[in-house]
Amino acid sequence: DIQMTQSPSSLSASVGDRVTITCRASQSISSYLNWYQQKPGKAPKLLIYAASSLQSGVPSRFSGSGSGTDFTLTISSLQPEDFATYYCQQSYSTLLFGPGTKVDIK
Amino acid sequence: EVQLVESGGGLVQPGRSLRLSCAASGFTFDDYAMHWVRQAPGKGLEWVSGISWNSGSIGYADSVKGRFTISRDNAKNSLYLQMNSLRAEDTALYYCAKDILRELLVADAFDIWGQGTMVTVSS
Repeated sequence: DIQMTQSPSSLSASVGDRVTITCRASQSISSYLNWYQQKPGKAPKLLIYAASSLQSGVPSRFSGSGSGTDFTLTISSLQPEDFATYYCQQSYSTLLFGPGTKVDIK
Repeated sequence: EVQLVESGGGLVQPGRSLRLSCAASGFTFDDYAMHWVRQAPGKGLEWVSGISWNSGSIGYADSVKGRFTISRDNAKNSLYLQMNSLRAEDTALYYCAKDILRELLVADAFDIWGQGTMVTVSS
């Protein structure tokens, strides 16, 4: 079975910072990797699909890259509304989410 | 407005059954695969089950295989999850989620989510 890891598990950042979150698969998943944002008490929101495609309505400060086993989500300039938990999810085989990365205020 | 509304959650004893429902509106329901995703209190997201647009393809997480059954009624724009032999570890908020595609386990991504229905398994 494919395993997913994310790093870091949490980070503290300031408004305006560039933030990078990494997701790693235990074997190649091509570009079958999605990213979600979840705020407390809310349902997750799709940000990026197929590793680098921006979901409609998502601000362009969010971007995704990678293929194979290593992927990154980048927030170019962190905004107050971006403080949340971010999950990667592979769709290459049995669907599986990563453990999440919590982004909070420094 | 595109919307998914879950119902059917509640408190149930271990070993008992529960049926969740998800009512869809604002999009062509039978054009998309649909899924159930759960989140235990304070924990991460776990995919539970998915079903293709025409029910021709169905998948389950190993943790629920043989106990849970997913189904859909395209005429009623509804998705269901029959949960049998419930365990304490099934306690979670259960989300209904729309796939971006018709088929299952082919580049699945979830673009529309409901607000969830809470299932608590306890004696």
